[in-house]
Amino acid sequence: NAGVTQTPKFQVLKTGQSMTLQCAQDMNHNSMYWYRQDPGMGLRLIYYSASEGTTDKGEVPNGYNVSRLNKREFSLRLESAAPSQTSVYFCASSAPKEGGYNSPLHFGNGTRLTVT
Amino acid sequence: KQEVTQIPAALSVPEGENLVLNCSFTDSAIYNLQWFRQDPGKGLTSLLLIQSSQREQTSGRLNASLDKSSGRSTLYIAASQPGDSATYLCAAGGHYGQNFVFGPGTRLSVLP
Repeated sequence: NAGVTQTPKFQVLKTGQSMTLQCAQDMNHNSMYWYRQDPGMGLRLIYYSASEGTTDKGEVPNGYNVSRLNKREFSLRLESAAPSQTSVYFCASSAPKEGGYNSPLHFGNGTRLTVT
Repeated sequence: KQEVTQIPAALSVPEGENLVLNCSFTDSAIYNLQWFRQDPGKGLTSLLLIQSSQREQTSGRLNASLDKSSGRSTLYIAASQPGDSATYLCAAGGHYGQNFVFGPGTRLSVLP
């Protein structure tokens, strides 16, 4: 059982370049999330998808776009990378029960992105 | 806006010691509180999730408690082992998971 798989593991971009971070889960979860983790700070939510076909902004959405391709896959795109987007990016999924909460988050191993 | 803090930022203990990690949150209107473990270069692994109607959850040597009225949760680790060395994060959960607000974590080192 692979859980949540993220690709690539590492990436270096120059300012202004674009890229897409891929995430796939095999747990049949409805909800998927993208977080970024920066030194000295907690994880911050970029975007989430409560179910297939829906996406919503989180705390720090500027500079990012997302696509919920199907139930399994949720991608994060940086259209024009900036040094401030240097971070570790985590994808997560959960299976909200009736009522929508009390479901643990399952994380991928992250993508370490450096923008020079 | 929910804010989550964790004290201490780092902790070093000898093997075998019992220890407590602290998590504080400012908005008591949470649906759950989740504790995670993060190993270097890895993602987060869920350890325990306490629903707002519960006071505590236990898994093996781990026990997490929740006091919504005081805005606090604690993670108790019994008989610590070097393999417990990691960063422990707590997250206060709102509706549908999108409102999970994470603390900065406590970096634990258990010395053999």
